[in-house]
Amino acid sequence: GDSVTQMEGPVTLSEEAFLTINCTYTATGYPSLFWYVQYPGEGLQLLLKATKADDKGSNKGFEATYRKETTSFHLEKGSVQVSDSAVYFCALENQAGTALIFGKGTTLSVSS
Amino acid sequence: DSGVTQTPKHLITATGQRVTLRCSPRSGDLSVYWYQQSLDQGLQFLIQYYNGEERAKGNILERFSAQQFPDLHSELNLSSLELGDSALYFCASSSEKQPSGNTIYFGEGSWLTVV
Repeated sequence: GDSVTQMEGPVTLSEEAFLTINCTYTATGYPSLFWYVQYPGEGLQLLLKATKADDKGSNKGFEATYRKETTSFHLEKGSVQVSDSAVYFCALENQAGTALIFGKGTTLSVSS
Repeated sequence: DSGVTQTPKHLITATGQRVTLRCSPRSGDLSVYWYQQSLDQGLQFLIQYYNGEERAKGNILERFSAQQFPDLHSELNLSSLELGDSALYFCASSSEKQPSGNTIYFGEGSWLTVV
């Protein structure tokens, strides 16, 4: 079935460091892909998405490119800030088009 | 603020009991999703309603049920509660049937602790 695998955390970085959070997926066809972010005590918020192969989603300095060859959707940011500390979830739309399937989440901690 | 309202925010109850979690979607959103977030299972899709009708079921236990009312608010009923049901339950809403159709907005969740 459809599934998402993302790198285990926590990821600990200093401010202004480069961030990569790996995400790979297993699915039939080419599902829409998403990154959501969860700040402490809050619900999930959509960070970015890509709906077809080679699309690049971007928002707030974060980017991810839909790579069908490697079934990946890695999240990157060139210079992280303390305010980026949160849990990041990679997700795909299931084949039936009825739900998002989430990875287990990666905790990012950025220190000044 | 996502516009999705969930109540209660926190709930502590005993094993064997029944609870109801309530969700008010964003104004105008017809689609409501319920998710369970636990440490071991991560975020699990439970069920989706669209305009009052059940559209999809995920990993929802038979002890759990949900419904969406004519005013589009939704309730998730959890019965015969077990310790393992302790989790954060999220409601999310969207204007479209399909998740990729438009942004899905999540509420802040209802923390359920079963003791």
